[in-house]
Amino acid sequence: DAGITQSPRHKVTETGTPVTLRCHQTENHRYMYWYRQDPGHGLRLIHYSYGVKDTDKGEVSDGYSVSRSKTEDFLLTLESATSSQTSVYFCAISLGQGQETQYFGPGTRLLVL
Amino acid sequence: QQQVKQSPQSLIVQKGGISIINCAYENTAFDYFPWYQQFPGKGPALLIAIRPDVSEKKEGRFTISFNKSAKQFSLHIMDSQPGDSATYFCAASIKGSARQLTFGSGTQLTVLP
Repeated sequence: DAGITQSPRHKVTETGTPVTLRCHQTENHRYMYWYRQDPGHGLRLIHYSYGVKDTDKGEVSDGYSVSRSKTEDFLLTLESATSSQTSVYFCAISLGQGQETQYFGPGTRLLVL
Repeated sequence: QQQVKQSPQSLIVQKGGISIINCAYENTAFDYFPWYQQFPGKGPALLIAIRPDVSEKKEGRFTISFNKSAKQFSLHIMDSQPGDSATYFCAASIKGSARQLTFGSGTQLTVLP
């Protein structure tokens, strides 16, 4: 998993509550990404980071915010969780000469009731 | 808007047979095309990738065929094994875009013993 850990691995929460997912990497990679995976949609990019405090939106960023105060940690926050945010969330880092190769963490399964 | 279309959604193959998964893309700016393999409960793992300057890339039993003019690429799994049963995703990215990956919707492959 290229030194990527995600926490928690499973979470059940209620609609309207804030939720923060953590991605931690141990190898000082510059680029980090958050994806969500839903049946029939593959993986879709939520947000990504290209350095400490440098982040940008992906395809499905509404309802999500991110922060990266340290190189090794990339946090994803659901500001007010909704049932449509029930999903599996994956963090990834990029490697390779052109940063084109992405490696994924083990995922966090989130259920919003 | 889905920019990478993947088919079939599911595929059942006998052991020893050839599994073929197809993807088509729209954006001609894509310049990197990886395939990922995902087992239940795990994150996607990079299987093989290709750039558009070559028409084929082979790694063991896995081959990517790339047709730039048709904007299509496919994954061929030769001598398919039950252990290959997994979900496969094609993806594409653009240089200079922080290498955001656009994924296909996935193909669930079942290899019967």
